[in-house]
Amino acid sequence: ETGVTQTPRHLVMGMTNKKSLKCEQHLGHNAMYWYKQSAKKPLELMFVYNFKEQTENNSVPSRFSPECPNSSHLFLHLHTLQPEDSALYLCASSQDRDGVSYTDTQYFGPGTRLTVL
Amino acid sequence: AQSVTQPDIHITVSEGASLELRCNYSYGATPYLFWYVQSPGQGLQLLLKYFSGDTLVQGIKGFEAEFKRSQSSFNLRKPSVHWSDAAEYFCAVGPADSNYQLIWGAGTKLIIKP
Repeated sequence: ETGVTQTPRHLVMGMTNKKSLKCEQHLGHNAMYWYKQSAKKPLELMFVYNFKEQTENNSVPSRFSPECPNSSHLFLHLHTLQPEDSALYLCASSQDRDGVSYTDTQYFGPGTRLTVL
Repeated sequence: AQSVTQPDIHITVSEGASLELRCNYSYGATPYLFWYVQSPGQGLQLLLKYFSGDTLVQGIKGFEAEFKRSQSSFNLRKPSVHWSDAAEYFCAVGPADSNYQLIWGAGTKLIIKP
């Protein structure tokens, strides 16, 4: 595997379900991100991790719970979601040289298409 | 508030024709500027970026973009498009008050006519 991989690619869940999204980066990077991409709306940054430490939680509802066990893996745990949470969830990574910075190129995975019924 | 506007939701261009995708930003100082492309079923890929210096920036896949401070614009261009360029294109701005949170445009979908 190369680059950034995400599983599953598609997920349908009910509002009472609990599920997890997985992201793995094979680039040796030390920063990882979760984004939400809704149709016709700008990308929304949800969480940022640097060296496994969460550096940003962008006012995301608690029904989204991130986990970063090491610099290569990032999870997004989902529970009691709402239909408006249906979207494409993108993971990205970057090599942070001197603090997480958007000047470091982010490499994106293909995303998980989430549908909440 | 800082914002990024991509005025065209979608654009249709014939294969072999030239392309220009518009991006305007609202920001006081000169920001860092980016263009990303998202091909169907794939994640975003950086095409090019502008931090400083020459206002005409060359990127991958034959794309270029020009920063025009007077117009607060960073338009993306390609002299001759190929069917494989069909994708969604996103402009993004890196503001000074955050070192990691880009401000993204809503995207422009490029459709290529054979």
